[in-house]
Amino acid sequence: DAGVIQSPRHEVTEMGQEVTLRCKPISGHDYLFWYRQTMMRGLELLIYFNNNVPIDDSGMPEDRFSAKMPNASFSTLKIQPSEPRDSAVYFCASRGQGVTGELFFGEGSRLTVL
Amino acid sequence: DAKTTQPTSMDCAEGRAANLPCNHSTISGNEYVYWYRQIHSQGPQYIIHGLKNNETNEMASLIITEDRKSSTLILPHATLRDTAVYYCIVIVGGTASKLTFGTGTRLQVTL
Repeated sequence: DAGVIQSPRHEVTEMGQEVTLRCKPISGHDYLFWYRQTMMRGLELLIYFNNNVPIDDSGMPEDRFSAKMPNASFSTLKIQPSEPRDSAVYFCASRGQGVTGELFFGEGSRLTVL
Repeated sequence: DAKTTQPTSMDCAEGRAANLPCNHSTISGNEYVYWYRQIHSQGPQYIIHGLKNNETNEMASLIITEDRKSSTLILPHATLRDTAVYYCIVIVGGTASKLTFGTGTRLQVTL
């Protein structure tokens, strides 16, 4: 199994630009989570999906952030327009129906907004 | 979900057992204890979980006190590759639960 795959691994962009982060969950997993990690705030849950449907987006910081899951094997997190304070590592994770807290994380996408 | 308290940092000599404590004094009967770790620049990695019985797997052992108000993660023979931040998380069992990470314990394994 290839695990959770995220792209890009690194992205450097300028303030105001649109950023799209991508995630491919583990095949057969029904839940997908997007987390953000910064030194100041640690790991924060942004949003999670169940069977491609957003269940809880209360962690999404503001309207500039949006996430979609068009099918069971792909999700995107979009920031438009990006700001320097969005600089962080964004992690995607997935899990199956069985064990509630056993998430499988990707390697993360490190975003730098100049 | 119950709040957890962990020491900020710990040191351990390579080859020795690393014992990482976690306090969760407000835990409820239907809440599980989960442990994750995050090695520098990588995504968090699941280690082990338990409800009330002690648990062991190929990575670690989890000891939960009888009153369930605290637990200890044990890495029996720590190696340099175990240097990481270790997170103790308490969540309600059930498919809708989501993990909330605290600040964890930074474990430094030294020669």
